[in-house]
Amino acid sequence: GAVVSQHPSWVICKSGTSVKIECRSLDFQATTMFWYRQFPKQSLMLMATSNEGSKATYEQGVEKDKFLINHASLTLSTLTVTSAHPEDSSFYICSARDRTGGYLDTEAFFGQGTRLTVV
Amino acid sequence: DQQVKQNSPSLSVQEGRISILNCDYTNSMFDYFLWYKKYPAEGPTFLISISSIKDKNEDGRFTVFLNKSAKHLSLHIVPSQPGDSAVYFCAASALDSGTYKYIFGTGTRLKVLA
Repeated sequence: GAVVSQHPSWVICKSGTSVKIECRSLDFQATTMFWYRQFPKQSLMLMATSNEGSKATYEQGVEKDKFLINHASLTLSTLTVTSAHPEDSSFYICSARDRTGGYLDTEAFFGQGTRLTVV
Repeated sequence: DQQVKQNSPSLSVQEGRISILNCDYTNSMFDYFLWYKKYPAEGPTFLISISSIKDKNEDGRFTVFLNKSAKHLSLHIVPSQPGDSAVYFCAASALDSGTYKYIFGTGTRLKVLA
């Protein structure tokens, strides 16, 4: 299957600093990328949807000024957690969908996730 | 409001037997369903999917059944193997603001006993 690479796999940062997480589709072009957050023993919660060259669409309750998303190219999307606080500690996962997918081809491929710990 | 529900947080099955994981949904606009397998600290791995125009899809040991009238889908794994032990998420997809988005269930932790 297609490969989505997420970097870094884990990061520890001080409270008040910003952290950038990268998501790359390695062997396909991704028109759409998604960012999820997973709390322990809970589901993957969609945070935002980003389309290449346009502003991200955020889900209700997600602060767009805190979680900055940039989808600068068809193979790269970044999530920046600004002014991080301990409550932002979580597992963040990106996924990407192949732009060649048709109407029923809505399979998305996931990165390996990033464990963020804010101390 | 949880649109996709997996009511069993965990399931234990003996090796070689069948594992049945269940998922219920409430939104009739969902038209594509997927199952993902996830290990701790890793991203989900796609397993199998089914379109709403079908009621069954099979891939090797994995079969997904969809009952649209009951808004229920299930994943059957047979025979179950110890390597199948993981958390399984079902996801439902619907068009939202021009983009297909996934809504995930809360997951079921499957443990296959040797």
